[in-house]
Amino acid sequence: NAGVTQTPKFQVLKTGQSMTLQCAQDMNHNSMYWYRQDPGMGLRLIYYSASEGTTDKGEVPNGYNVSRLNKREFSLRLESAAPSQTSVYFCASSEFSVRRDVTYEQYFGPGTRLTVT
Amino acid sequence: GDSVTQMEGPVTLSEEAFLTINCTYTATGYPSLFWYVQYPGEGLQLLLKATKADDKGSNKGFEATYRKETTSFHLEKGSVQVSDSAVYFCALSGNFNKFYFGSGTKLNVKP
Repeated sequence: NAGVTQTPKFQVLKTGQSMTLQCAQDMNHNSMYWYRQDPGMGLRLIYYSASEGTTDKGEVPNGYNVSRLNKREFSLRLESAAPSQTSVYFCASSEFSVRRDVTYEQYFGPGTRLTVT
Repeated sequence: GDSVTQMEGPVTLSEEAFLTINCTYTATGYPSLFWYVQYPGEGLQLLLKATKADDKGSNKGFEATYRKETTSFHLEKGSVQVSDSAVYFCALSGNFNKFYFGSGTKLNVKP
């Protein structure tokens, strides 16, 4: 099992360029998540997909779009990159839960380090 | 809203020293609580978790107890090793299994 995979590992963009970060999981999980990690701020949720066919905004969705392509894949798109989007991006997956008292471990990919100049 | 506050780092210890990393949370209801660890250049890995008040999570010598009365989930280890050097994140779970993370605490262990 590869777990959660992300491509690319590194990317440099110029302001205004667009790109798509790819994520795939082979654990048959229903739920998938995109986070960004910034120094001193921990991980912040950008978007999540509780199950195939649904997506919802997280804490910091502005400037991003997502697509849940199928059960395995969940992509994150930056339409017009800005320097404020320089960050490390993590994808995660888990079993599906709607209840706070029923929780499952999230499994993380290795991350994509994005620099916008 | 839900949030997690953890002590700022970095924390620098000598090998075999005792470790405590403080974590407090704000949440409605009764969330599950987690500690994740991130080694350099890698993603986050689950270290331990607790799903209800007074539960103790433990793994690899690390422990944390879910304290509802103090809304805390402090991470402890009796004797740290150089290999424990990493960034540690406290997190709580919300609806739809969304997680809320603290800012992370970097631990440096010197031989």
